[in-house]
Amino acid sequence: SYELTQPPSVSVSPGQTASITCSGGQLGDKYAYWYQQKPGQSPVLVIYQDRRRPSGIPERFSGSNSGNTATLTISGTQPMDEADYYCLAWDSSTGVFGGGTKLTVL
Amino acid sequence: EEQLVESGGGLVQPGGSLRLSCAASGFTVSSNYMSWVRQAPGKGLEWVSVLYSGGSTYYADSVKGRFTISRDNSKNTLFLQMNSLRAEDTAVYYCARDISLDVWGQGTTVTVSS
Repeated sequence: SYELTQPPSVSVSPGQTASITCSGGQLGDKYAYWYQQKPGQSPVLVIYQDRRRPSGIPERFSGSNSGNTATLTISGTQPMDEADYYCLAWDSSTGVFGGGTKLTVL
Repeated sequence: EEQLVESGGGLVQPGGSLRLSCAASGFTVSSNYMSWVRQAPGKGLEWVSVLYSGGSTYYADSVKGRFTISRDNSKNTLFLQMNSLRAEDTAVYYCARDISLDVWGQGTTVTVSS
């Protein structure tokens, strides 16, 4: 079965750039989606179709996807961006989530 | 405003059954791909099932043969029938819209325990 791998944790200083990766076989041939989840809340879509931002998502969130790796980049990271982030891809009509990355802003 | 509201969670014994509902407002369930996603306590997100607008259904291997996704167009509601429940099915269950999962409900908690 298809698998997506994310680093368990990433740390970044406020104002700096955070990059969260998501790796999977030929992931670049699929669309990658990214979700932000804060404690006690439902996930929120922050990037869809590799690099598109839903309305209401700040411009500091961006995405890319090539080869075997999709990347979520947060430029000028703010304390409010501290959360768990999950990638998603679809393989053979089934959804696959990465294990999630805890982003710490300190 | 597009909204999803889940209900039907609760405490059930191993081997038991439960039916979750996901009521939609602001859009039509039957015109969209609709998914169920779950999150075990302290764990990550796990995709469970999807119902395509055309009626096709797909399931994660972990629930295949035990769970059934369906919808009632007249009620604009998505369902998840869960049978032969196991302790490892304990989780918060979310419904979400579209292949992008762009709209999520608040979740409903399912606890499988004796």
